[in-house]
Amino acid sequence: QVQLQESGPGLVKPSQTLSLTCIVSGGSISSGSYYWSWIRQPAGKGLEWIGRIYTTGSTNYNPSLKSRVTISIDTSKNQFSLKLSSVTAADTAVYYCARDWEPWGQGTLVTVSS
Amino acid sequence: DIQMTQSPSSLSASVGDRVTITCRASQAISNHLAWFQQKPGKAPKSLIYAASSLQSGVPSKFSGSGSGTDFTLTISSLQPEDFATYYCQQYYSYPITFGQGTRLEI
Repeated sequence: QVQLQESGPGLVKPSQTLSLTCIVSGGSISSGSYYWSWIRQPAGKGLEWIGRIYTTGSTNYNPSLKSRVTISIDTSKNQFSLKLSSVTAADTAVYYCARDWEPWGQGTLVTVSS
Repeated sequence: DIQMTQSPSSLSASVGDRVTITCRASQAISNHLAWFQQKPGKAPKSLIYAASSLQSGVPSKFSGSGSGTDFTLTISSLQPEDFATYYCQQYYSYPITFGQGTRLEI
């Protein structure tokens, strides 16, 4: 049973780069035809799709974040990553990784503050 | 971007009730619609994809229908564990977008 787990700093300073990794266990990230996604949710608000990467490495990003987002995949480590540059307080949210519709990671809170 | 509008935004119901949540897309999305359930402090859980296909392991009390711009999620015989927030999501075109959520309360 595939499981996903987000990891990374819980606190990032304004203007810096937020970096998160999603570790995939219970299956190979390179097997099958799946999209590996990042989604975020500010406290008390709805879900925002950030972007996704296909098993082949091709990516799609939300245009609202595209200039600041990079999603990459490391098949040797069975994980994929998110980098969001030039962060502000508006980027404070719980960040989730997911494979297609299921499963999702438990989420990790990232706070942007000095 | 395709806007997804859910109604109602909140809904009060009782154990045993049957409820329906509606999701409307700002343009036609065929059947490229998914439904998620989210409980407080937890990650969303996929219920339905392709508008009406039940995700593996999801009880048949959940059902979805619709195509084009109008979709519904129906939950029959509500149980205490069904009280949560429900989101629709379109994956017809980028960016993938979610509805604002429907909070189902007792």
